[in-house]
Amino acid sequence: GAGVSQSPSNKVTEKGKDVELRCDPISGHTALYWYRQRLGQGLEFLIYFQGNSAPDKSGLPSDRFSAERTGESVSTLTIQRTQQEDSAVYLCASSLGATVKGEKLFFGSGTQLSVL
Amino acid sequence: LAKTTQPISMDSYEGQEVNITCSHNNIATNDYITWYQQFPSQGPRFIIQGYKTKVTNEVASLFIPADRKSSTLSLPRVSLSDTAVYYCLVGSYNQGGKLIFGQGTELSVKP
Repeated sequence: GAGVSQSPSNKVTEKGKDVELRCDPISGHTALYWYRQRLGQGLEFLIYFQGNSAPDKSGLPSDRFSAERTGESVSTLTIQRTQQEDSAVYLCASSLGATVKGEKLFFGSGTQLSVL
Repeated sequence: LAKTTQPISMDSYEGQEVNITCSHNNIATNDYITWYQQFPSQGPRFIIQGYKTKVTNEVASLFIPADRKSSTLSLPRVSLSDTAVYYCLVGSYNQGGKLIFGQGTELSVKP
């Protein structure tokens, strides 16, 4: 596609419910990143994929968070048993991921998650 | 992983040149320096990237000294629309990587 697409743009859920956030990267981009941004804060790294593999999952805040990527394309970030502190904007970015030079991250507009 | 330090906020006036400096003392040999701009309710967008010396594009310049332990983003003649948060990102981009953003600099441009 023309850019990174994230859905839904907004999600309101009740505490304890599970949510799935979707990211469609730019076609051909092999690297994909998830970040969390709380209100007024910077970007908190969660996880990245090179192809369908996630070499480092240490950024995930707890075992309630998981992510997967299939077909070197779409990625899903799942939060189980949501808590109020999970409320934030979840941003996805993709990059070519195939060069030793500096790369550009292309971000989606994010999913605003509100846990009531 | 290279940690970055930036001023939390800066104020400027329309038409002035703004310089935002980022410190990254433990930058690695393979690391590139990239700056992003973020407006409210949007994802960050790429501004400029460099490895050493000076890089210039249509919107900004990036100055990197020989030791590469800092970098300065220069925005010429800012306008109100340049009010945003600016992030310095230092990292190795080979095959992706754990790219960690700093806290960013909130730039406020006043009339």
